[in-house]
Amino acid sequence: GENVEQHPSTLSVQEGDSAVIKCTYSDSASNYFPWYKQELGKRPQLIIDIRSNVGEKKDQRIAVTLNKTAKHFSLHITETQPEDSAVYFCAASWQSGGYNKLIFGAGTRLAVHP
Amino acid sequence: DGGITQSPKYLFRKEGQNVTLSCEQNLNHDAMYWYRQDPGQGLRLIYYSQIVNDFQKGDIAEGYSVSREKKESFPLTVTSAQKNPTAFYLCASMEQRNTEAFFGQGTRLTVV
Repeated sequence: GENVEQHPSTLSVQEGDSAVIKCTYSDSASNYFPWYKQELGKRPQLIIDIRSNVGEKKDQRIAVTLNKTAKHFSLHITETQPEDSAVYFCAASWQSGGYNKLIFGAGTRLAVHP
Repeated sequence: DGGITQSPKYLFRKEGQNVTLSCEQNLNHDAMYWYRQDPGQGLRLIYYSQIVNDFQKGDIAEGYSVSREKKESFPLTVTSAQKNPTAFYLCASMEQRNTEAFFGQGTRLTVV
């Protein structure tokens, strides 16, 4: 069945360093790839997304890249800050039979140390 | 105050009992989703619905049931057939396909 794999499961960086989280998806029909951030005890919230007709998107310190051929997409956070510490989830979405299915990766726990 | 609301925040269930988790949204979103969150396993899809009176099984639907009698409501029932129900459950809604999913604050279910 459809699957989204996410690596690494944990990531520890020093403040100011960059962080990269990678995901792969199985269904070539996937056409939308959002990233969510979940702080401790809170609900997941969208931080950036990319559609299949775009290869890269940037929003201030965060960027996402998509390689449709390889079915890979990645989240890049530059100049990390302690408030970036959270669990990050990638996801993939596609349509089938009039339904919009949204599948998440297992998550990456990012710790940014001052 | 617009948004998506889950209740209760904490729920305790005895083994062998069914329990229903509430999810209500006033965003006028068509699509609604239920996910289960366990440590290290991310968000796993239980059920999803695109329109009233119609829904689809997700990847881990066994032991769960849903209904979609109203656009704004998508309750999840955890039945006694679910062997390991203790988890954090998240409900989400989406206005259109391939747009932001908005999550409720979650319900933490514990079997005692």
